Amino acid sequence: GQQVMQIPQYQHVQEGEDFTTYCNSSTTLSNIQWYKQRPGGHPVFLIQLVKSGEVKKQKRLTFQFGEAKKNSSLHITATQTTDVGTYFCAGPRGNNRLAFGKGNQVVVIP
Amino acid sequence: NAGVTQTPKFQVLKTGQSMTLQCAQDMNHEYMSWYRQDPGMGLRLIHYSVGAGITDQGEVPNGYNVSRSTTEDFPLRLLSAAPSQTSVYFCASSLRSEADTQYFGPGTRLTVL
Repeated sequence: GQQVMQIPQYQHVQEGEDFTTYCNSSTTLSNIQWYKQRPGGHPVFLIQLVKSGEVKKQKRLTFQFGEAKKNSSLHITATQTTDVGTYFCAGPRGNNRLAFGKGNQVVVIP
Repeated sequence: NAGVTQTPKFQVLKTGQSMTLQCAQDMNHEYMSWYRQDPGMGLRLIHYSVGAGITDQGEVPNGYNVSRSTTEDFPLRLLSAAPSQTSVYFCASSLRSEADTQYFGPGTRLTVL
């Protein structure tokens, strides 16, 4: 089964508000990747975090990698309708495999 | 560069039929993979390849075959389609390994009746 878990699975967010989505692994990860999939589209790479405690920002998006490299979060401020979609985290699980979480589907309420 | 291309975009099969989903990339990537996406299940790895001539199974390989005769192409074969294989299939590629940025194709939506 999947070793990367995401919570929550669904979120309804009011436009203009902030929200956070979380990713947890049962094992230490060498890196964590985040992807976004728009409705009807394909996953698109957002960012990769490699270092323990790393924080990276992309405009309104802030990504964090936990100190133990077992968890990660994505925080979005001032949500816009363009933020709608499903956010996936993924981590290498050994043997050349990449494990994706089940995703966090975000619906934005205008 | 076209990136990762997949054909067809949509396909309807009858139970027991076979078919091949095509995937090609023009970025000279070594690592290629196939995922299926089902509601509430996220992306599940079917098969992957670390280079031409080398393939291996992912977490849900049953009912699927792959081959990698060239760096560019990584077709996925359904041997005898079953309704449980109704899904959206994504092909992805990356420069060297699963630890690199994955570039996804547009997907193939498959329905098995």
